Amino acid sequence: GQQLNQSPQSMFIQEGEDVSMNCTSSSIFNTWLWYKQDPGEGPVLLIALYKAGELTSNGRLTAQFGITRKDSFLNISASIPSDVGIYFCAAPLNTGTASKLTFGTGTRLQVTL
Amino acid sequence: DTGVSQDPRHKITKRGQNVTFRCDPISEHNRLYWYRQTLGQGPEFLTYFQNEAQLEKSRLLSDRFSAERPKGSFSTLEIQRTEQGDSAMYLCASARGSGRNEQFFGPGTRLTVL
Repeated sequence: GQQLNQSPQSMFIQEGEDVSMNCTSSSIFNTWLWYKQDPGEGPVLLIALYKAGELTSNGRLTAQFGITRKDSFLNISASIPSDVGIYFCAAPLNTGTASKLTFGTGTRLQVTL
Repeated sequence: DTGVSQDPRHKITKRGQNVTFRCDPISEHNRLYWYRQTLGQGPEFLTYFQNEAQLEKSRLLSDRFSAERPKGSFSTLEIQRTEQGDSAMYLCASARGSGRNEQFFGPGTRLTVL
């Protein structure tokens, strides 16, 4: 079953606003991944984090690996309509490099003009 | 990279029929994963290949499901005697053989069992 809890479940924001979402777990992970999924499509990898405390950016997206290794955060600055979608956090269940991923339940983002 | 491709993108079948899906991973990736995603949920792991070897299967993968990767390149996922509960999006992902856990997903195959 799912081990990652995402918050909020959904959010409506206005274009231009900043967005914050998080992903928490009772387990420690060595890697955090953030994906975005559009309707009818597969998830697209946005950011990968490999070190506790790490802060990584990809354009208007910034993600952080929590120092407890039990959480991660994703921020989107100056949102635009194409940011609409479902954002998933994911983490490998095993410590090896070949690990399957477990996913959170997602944060659905809707942007109004 | 040409990306991960999946075929077909959509499949509608009647209960009891067999279906087969294909996944072509990114060419230099030797790890290939299958996941299943139902509405409102994140993807759930089904099975994993390292080259042609199937190294792990989830308990979600009942005996009606079989996956192959015969030459270590493309993979197929077959579902026999489909049930309405099999309706879902079936996602394939690939990853490099070493280093990090970054998995790249295909567009998925949407299965509807009537």
